Parts: sequence; structure tokens; C-alpha cells
Amino acid sequence: DIQMTQSPSSLSASVGDRVTITCRASQSISTYLNWYQQKPGRAPKLLIYAASSLQSGVPSRFSGSGSGTDFTLTISSPQPEDFATYYCQQGYSTPWTFGQGTKVEIK
Amino acid sequence: EVHLVESGGGLVQPGGSLRLSCAASGFTFSSYSMNWVRQAPGKGLEWVSYISSSSSTIYHADSVKGRFTISRDSAKNSLHLQMNSLRAEDTAVYYCARGGGVATYYFDYWGRGSLVTVSS
Repeated sequence: DIQMTQSPSSLSASVGDRVTITCRASQSISTYLNWYQQKPGRAPKLLIYAASSLQSGVPSRFSGSGSGTDFTLTISSPQPEDFATYYCQQGYSTPWTFGQGTKVEIK
Repeated sequence: EVHLVESGGGLVQPGGSLRLSCAASGFTFSSYSMNWVRQAPGKGLEWVSYISSSSSTIYHADSVKGRFTISRDSAKNSLHLQMNSLRAEDTAVYYCARGGGVATYYFDYWGRGSLVTVSS
């Protein structure tokens, strides 16, 4: 199975700060990497697929990059509604696996 | 608008069975693969089961293989998960999620989830 490791596990940021979350795969997955946002008590929401493609309706302050084993999710200027938990997921092979999550809190 | 609504969750004793259902609307159900993804209380996401659009291909996570069975009824736009021999570690919110992607495989729409609690 492909292991996905996110860092950090949590972070505090102020509205308008730049936020960067990293995700590392245990083997190369090309650009088969997706990012999700989850708010408490809600279902996850797809933000970015194929490492850098923005899902329809997602604000352009979200961006993704990377290939192979190392990937990054960036929120250029977080808004209050962006404070949530973020998960990466590899879409390369079954079993599809998720990172452990990164909780982004307001400083 | 895509809508996925899970039902069938509840409290069950260890060793018991439960059947989850997911009602789909707002898209051509028969054209999409579907999945179950679960989340234990306070924990991360774990993919559980996959079924292709035609039901010809099915995958289960090792953690549920031999105990859970995914199925679909395209005439009724519904997805199911039969869960047998339930264990305490199966306690989670179970999400129905539509699959997609040309290269990478992703979950683009999710239901609100159904809570399954396995406890005596």
C-alpha cells in the first residue's frame, strides 16, 4: 500500500497569511494526488485533483503543486472559512489512501 | 445538483450486521463508479470499498475484506454496503462518495455520512 504522510499535523495562521501544507508519498505517484478540505461535522470537499487542477467552484487562493513523491497545497491568503482540516489522497492505485490530515487553525 | 444521502446506520453489537444505503440523484448514476469512505471518531479518512459503474469491478480494503460487500442498483440509483461480523474498530461515519478522474482517481461528491457504532 502507498503511505501518505502530511506535515505539519496542525498549524496556526492569521487571516491573510500564506499557508503551506506538504504531502509525501511512500513511492512515486506521478501527479495522481488530490486534496480535500473538511470542516467539523461536514463531509470532505474536493479542492484540487491531479496535483494542481482546481475543482470547479474552488477559490483561486488555493493551489497545488508537485509530482513524484512530494506535493504541496498552498492557501495564498486564508479567509476565515478556510480554517479546517486538509487531507491529501493518492489516486494512483488501490487501496486509495489518505494522509493523516493537517488542521489549520486561526492564530 | 449532485445529491448523495446515506441511511441505515445505527448501534449494533459486535459480530452483528448492518446494511448501509446511499440514494443518488442529480447525475447519471449508471455512468459513475462509487465508493464508501469511513472516518472513525476524531480520526482521518479511510477508503473502504469501490464498485465500478457496471458493477464488474469491486475492491475492498483489506480491513473489511470478507466481511463487507458493496453493491449497486442502477435502476434505483442506489449504492449499498452490507457489513457483517462487525467489530468495535468499524465504528465510524460512513460516507458514500462518487468516484471520478481520467488519470488520478478522486472522490468528487460526498454524502453527509451515516454513523455506525459497534458496541455491546
